[in-house]
Amino acid sequence: DSGVTQTPKHLITATGQRVTLRCSPRSGDLSVYWYQQSLDQGLQFLIQYYNGEERAKGNILERFSAQQFPDLHSELNLSSLELGDSALYFCASSVFPTETYNEQFFGPGTRLTVL
Amino acid sequence: GNSVTQMEGPVTLSEEAFLTINCTYTATGYPSLFWYVQYPGEGLQLLLKATKADDKGSNKGFEATYRKETTSFHLEKGSVQVSDSAVYFCAPGTVKNAGGTSYGKLTFGQGTILTVHP
Repeated sequence: DSGVTQTPKHLITATGQRVTLRCSPRSGDLSVYWYQQSLDQGLQFLIQYYNGEERAKGNILERFSAQQFPDLHSELNLSSLELGDSALYFCASSVFPTETYNEQFFGPGTRLTVL
Repeated sequence: GNSVTQMEGPVTLSEEAFLTINCTYTATGYPSLFWYVQYPGEGLQLLLKATKADDKGSNKGFEATYRKETTSFHLEKGSVQVSDSAVYFCAPGTVKNAGGTSYGKLTFGQGTILTVHP
């Protein structure tokens, strides 16, 4: 158990809908990262937050957005869903990254199925 | 930006065989290097890491040495078990500093599927 929790574990929805994925980082971790894992794209970095502020963006679609709240939990919002958005979405957290330590701890993931 | 090239899989071995999964990377700066493992139906777990040149990371019988001159971080295990069947990801990590705040980034390879048969 990494200490990172994600809810829900599974999500099934229809095209055009909007969903929210939730992540609670490990106690003491200030950074949260979101990743998408699909068969064709592999593991893709979406976005990172540090202590409530966006810090880095990867291959995140405009239909997707995220935020990190004062209690450090984070939510990933996916809207106008398409079939191709079906994937595993992982959240990871880390302590304040230094030059020699930026290990990330992953949650169990949320499997999103868009029908 | 960073990039990773991992040995293409899937890799199929018999129990007690020797395992090597190659990983080479390009990165700006001086990255830390990680191997993550994903068991069926689970999230990623850190397997081992190395933070500077010539460091050897090790865990559960797996080893990888940080080779700066060849920008490689190959994963090895002398005798695999059925329970090692999983997907293995190589990931260099860099830290950037902007406006006085650091943030870290991991770049993952495409993953190598390992299947070990009894």
